Amino acid sequence: NAGVTQTPKFQVLKTGQSMTLQCAQDMNHNSMYWYRQDPGMGLRLIYYSASEGTTDKGEVPNGYNVSRLNKREFSLRLESAAPSQTSVYFCASSEVQAAYEQYFGPGTRLTVT
Amino acid sequence: KQEVTQIPAALSVPEGENLVLNCSFTDSAIYNLQWFRQDPGKGLTSLLLIQSSQREQTSGRLNASLDKSSGRSTLYIAASQPGDSATYLCAVGKTSGSRLTFGEGTQLTVNP
Repeated sequence: NAGVTQTPKFQVLKTGQSMTLQCAQDMNHNSMYWYRQDPGMGLRLIYYSASEGTTDKGEVPNGYNVSRLNKREFSLRLESAAPSQTSVYFCASSEVQAAYEQYFGPGTRLTVT
Repeated sequence: KQEVTQIPAALSVPEGENLVLNCSFTDSAIYNLQWFRQDPGKGLTSLLLIQSSQREQTSGRLNASLDKSSGRSTLYIAASQPGDSATYLCAVGKTSGSRLTFGEGTQLTVNP
């Protein structure tokens, strides 16, 4: 039981490049989330998916797209990376039967030069 | 818009001390409140979850309380140990029961 896994762990991109961050959970949770963590800003919600087939914008969605591929997987795509997207990205999941207690992955550290 | 504040931003205590971390939020219409621990360079580990109908939750040396009417939660750590050194984050869930708003955390150092 791995919980929430994220790939890659680290990534360096040049401005304008694209990439997809992958997230998977093996807890059979319906809800999944993407956050970014920046010094002085805390964790902010980018997008979330309440259930398979649905996605909604969070607090800071600009510059990102998401795909809820199936119940297990929720990916985050940067179409044209910008230095302002340098951050640590966390994926999380939760389930209503567990009062929406959120479980987090280990994070992806992204640098855009 | 919900705002979550954690005071102090940093705290340094000697080993063995009992301590309290504070969290305040502006909108009392919450679904739940969750306390997390984050070690440097790592993800978040859930410590305690308090549902809006509950007043407190306990796990080992940790006790979290919730006062919705005043918009406050506290995390009490008994008999602190150097291994408790980490950043502690408070997060509040909306009434829709899904999205979390985070505070910026309290960085705790427990000195041997």
